[in-house]
Amino acid sequence: NAGVTQTPKFQVLKTGQSMTLQCAQDMNHNSMYWYRQDPGMGLRLIYYSASEGTTDKGEVPNGYNVSRLNKREFSLRLESAAPSQTSVYFCATVPLAGVRETQYFGPGTRLLVL
Amino acid sequence: AQSVTQLGSHVSVSEGALVLLRCNYSSSVPPYLFWYVQYPNQGLQLLLKYTTGATLVKGINGFEAEFKKSETSFHLTKPSAHMSDAAEYFCAVNPNTGFQKLVFGTGTRLLVSP
Repeated sequence: NAGVTQTPKFQVLKTGQSMTLQCAQDMNHNSMYWYRQDPGMGLRLIYYSASEGTTDKGEVPNGYNVSRLNKREFSLRLESAAPSQTSVYFCATVPLAGVRETQYFGPGTRLLVL
Repeated sequence: AQSVTQLGSHVSVSEGALVLLRCNYSSSVPPYLFWYVQYPNQGLQLLLKYTTGATLVKGINGFEAEFKKSETSFHLTKPSAHMSDAAEYFCAVNPNTGFQKLVFGTGTRLLVSP
């Protein structure tokens, strides 16, 4: 089992370019999350998907869109990248949406916007 | 809104010394509490969590944490630091809202010197 995989591992964009970050899981988990990690700010939730077919905004959704393509895949799209979106992006999954559950994280995507 | 405060962005210890990483939360009800660890260039992984029951929680790699409701704290400890413990540690709270949405602290980087 690969667990949670993210592609690409690293990306450089110019301001205004678009790109999609991909997340896939093979653990049959229901809920999936996108976070961004910035120095001194911890992890902040961008969007989440409680189950296939549903998505909701998190703490910092501006500038991003998401698609829950199927149960396995949850993508994050930057339509017009800005330098403020330079960050490390993590995808995470949870077996069920319950409050006690452990989140399982992917290895991250480092994004640099020039 | 729920929040988590981690005192000290960096903590330095010598190998074999006690590790103490502090975490305080704000909540009007007892929340669910988590400690995650992030090794360099990796995603986060669960160290331990408090949901209900025993307030002293044991986790992986010899770490433990004690939930103290009166102090709204969930400090992480390890009796004897090892070089391999060098990492960034995040405290997180999940408000008891019936769904998994973590609020993360800003993280504490643990440095271990020989």
